[in-house]
Amino acid sequence: GQQVMQIPQYQHVQEGEDFTTYCNSSTTLSNIQWYKQRPGGHPVFLIQLVKSGEVKKQKRLTFQFGEAKKNSSLHITATQTTDVGTYFCAPSNDYKLSFGAGTTVTVRA
Amino acid sequence: EAQVTQNPRYLITVTGKKLTVTCSQNMNHEYMSWYRQDPGLGLRQIYYSMNVEVTDKGDVPEGYKVSRKEKRNFPLILESPSPNQTSLYFCASSLLGAGGGDEQFFGPGTRLTVL
Repeated sequence: GQQVMQIPQYQHVQEGEDFTTYCNSSTTLSNIQWYKQRPGGHPVFLIQLVKSGEVKKQKRLTFQFGEAKKNSSLHITATQTTDVGTYFCAPSNDYKLSFGAGTTVTVRA
Repeated sequence: EAQVTQNPRYLITVTGKKLTVTCSQNMNHEYMSWYRQDPGLGLRQIYYSMNVEVTDKGDVPEGYKVSRKEKRNFPLILESPSPNQTSLYFCASSLLGAGGGDEQFFGPGTRLTVL
């Protein structure tokens, strides 16, 4: 599948602070999805990005797709304890979905 | 309730003893797939199915078999499990296909240990 690199692998955040996780590919992506997996849970779909330069917001979460469609980012503002979990980017191609290794987020209250 | 179910949720077995993990969805989805999740590697696709009787290999198909005789069911078969297949397995389904950008609905996961 398409290889993507997610950085950082771990993110320790003080409650109330902002952070960004990045997803980088060496090839152009058709589209990219983002999923969140809570500890002990299963991945849950957050968003899909399709267009070059696309920006989508979900409350405190902002998702971006790069102009060249080779990278994507997830920015969370005012982190809360409910944001704890692992965030995966997942580019899709044909009928296959490939997941990055994920960014695991912990929050200090 | 729309959902993907997997059974069993936990399984401890021994090397070489055939096992099947069942997956069922009640959303009339065309596309189903299996993933394994290992620390530091994210989720890797094992097999996927675009429709009944249509299956194809994902990124890590070795040691696994699948079948899609009915739309709702997509069992994962390990004919001769080995310790390197110890992992957390997820089944997922979507209305059409992953390539079309469809949201994937995941089951709760099956934690398999092969001794």
